[in-house]
Amino acid sequence: DAMVIQNPRYQVTQFGKPVTLSCSQTLNHNVMYWYQQKSSQAPKLLFHYYDKDFNNEADTPDNFQSRRPNTSFCFLDIRSPGLGDAAMYLCATSFSGSSSDTQYFGPGTRLTVL
Amino acid sequence: AQTVTQSQPEMSVQEAETVTLSCTYDTSESDYYLFWYKQPPSRQMILVIRQEAYKQQNATENRFSVNFQKAAKSFSLKISDSQLGDAAMYFCAYRHLYNFNKFYFGSGTKLNVKP
Repeated sequence: DAMVIQNPRYQVTQFGKPVTLSCSQTLNHNVMYWYQQKSSQAPKLLFHYYDKDFNNEADTPDNFQSRRPNTSFCFLDIRSPGLGDAAMYLCATSFSGSSSDTQYFGPGTRLTVL
Repeated sequence: AQTVTQSQPEMSVQEAETVTLSCTYDTSESDYYLFWYKQPPSRQMILVIRQEAYKQQNATENRFSVNFQKAAKSFSLKISDSQLGDAAMYFCAYRHLYNFNKFYFGSGTKLNVKP
């Protein structure tokens, strides 16, 4: 089945230690998103890739970076995680070009910062 | 920027009964899409139902239906014959018709289903 996969599902890191979260998709969608979701809150868009074009949200901290080496994969790098970065990180995809399209989400990676 | 408001942080419903979740949004656009997403505990977010703003007919998907009031900027979700598996966080979301890449989410409503 076509899907959005996130690895790992749970990640524990230490304060200030860089961490990378992974997302892959078999939907062949041209747009990939990263959201941060804290407990009982709405997902907050960090950035997205439209094909190879990177689009950062204005309020996304510089501590967060992303890479998309090919259509299928996208990575979220947190250069120096702080306690406030502990959250669920959701990857989503969509196909831009279909006006009726929606987003498809992965299961998320729960990040704990010690 | 568009805003999406869900005024009910948490709701409960008895199994087999009907419940309605509220959502309002603010936009100056006339063409857009509205969505309801379901996020079960520790599981991924999935699309429940989608409504195109240019369609007057309310969308329906099995037990899920919406009441879309464009003038009032209201988009409520009705769940009929509630099941235990409906227990989840429900998020309302907005997307402009031509800005494919920007979705705006509400803060969510936690739905509890009582057996």
